[in-house]
Amino acid sequence: DVVLTQTPPTLSATIGQSVSISCRSSQSLLDSDGDTYLNWLLQRPGQSPQLLIYSVSNLESGVPNRFSGSGSETDFTLKISGVEAEDLGVYYCMQATHAPDTFGAGTKLELK
Amino acid sequence: EVQLQESGPGLVKPSQSLSLTCSVTGYSITSNYWGWIRKFPGNKMEWMGYISYSGSTSYNPSLKSRISITRDTSKNQFFLQLNSVTTEDTATYYCARGWFDWGQGVMVTVSS
Repeated sequence: DVVLTQTPPTLSATIGQSVSISCRSSQSLLDSDGDTYLNWLLQRPGQSPQLLIYSVSNLESGVPNRFSGSGSETDFTLKISGVEAEDLGVYYCMQATHAPDTFGAGTKLELK
Repeated sequence: EVQLQESGPGLVKPSQSLSLTCSVTGYSITSNYWGWIRKFPGNKMEWMGYISYSGSTSYNPSLKSRISITRDTSKNQFFLQLNSVTTEDTATYYCARGWFDWGQGVMVTVSS
């Protein structure tokens, strides 16, 4: 199975600060169809996971544009440009290029 | 607006079967892909499997022959059955439409 390594495991931020989360894959996530199926999800406390970004950099409908995704092959980054209080929770990268779909271990975003 | 709601027993005895229902409103399960994902105590997430618009299924090999996902299109519901459960199957179980829409989750404890 593809292993996704997320760093850091915990992130402390102040409101308005910009932060980044890294996700590294044990193998390339570039699919034979040309797409790269690397997604980012957020699970807020007490809520179900929410898709933020799909296929590396596509913002899901309704997600604020302070969230952005970048990367290719094995290295990916989620950036939040100006953290807001509602952004707190656990962020997961996940891949759907290679079966079975797998998740990173999560990054917990806390308020400093 | 698509909504998903999981239901089923919150407590299952070891060696028995876990059975959950996902009821979907606002979207036909004869379109798209419908999956089950679980989150273990802590942050670890695992994709379990899905049933497609056509009724075909795909499962995580880690679950081997223990898992079955079926559906009732007349009720717009799909189902998870996990056999021979152990305490390691204790988790919150989510149903989802692709990665885009998620249910609220149901916590299942395996204990005698």
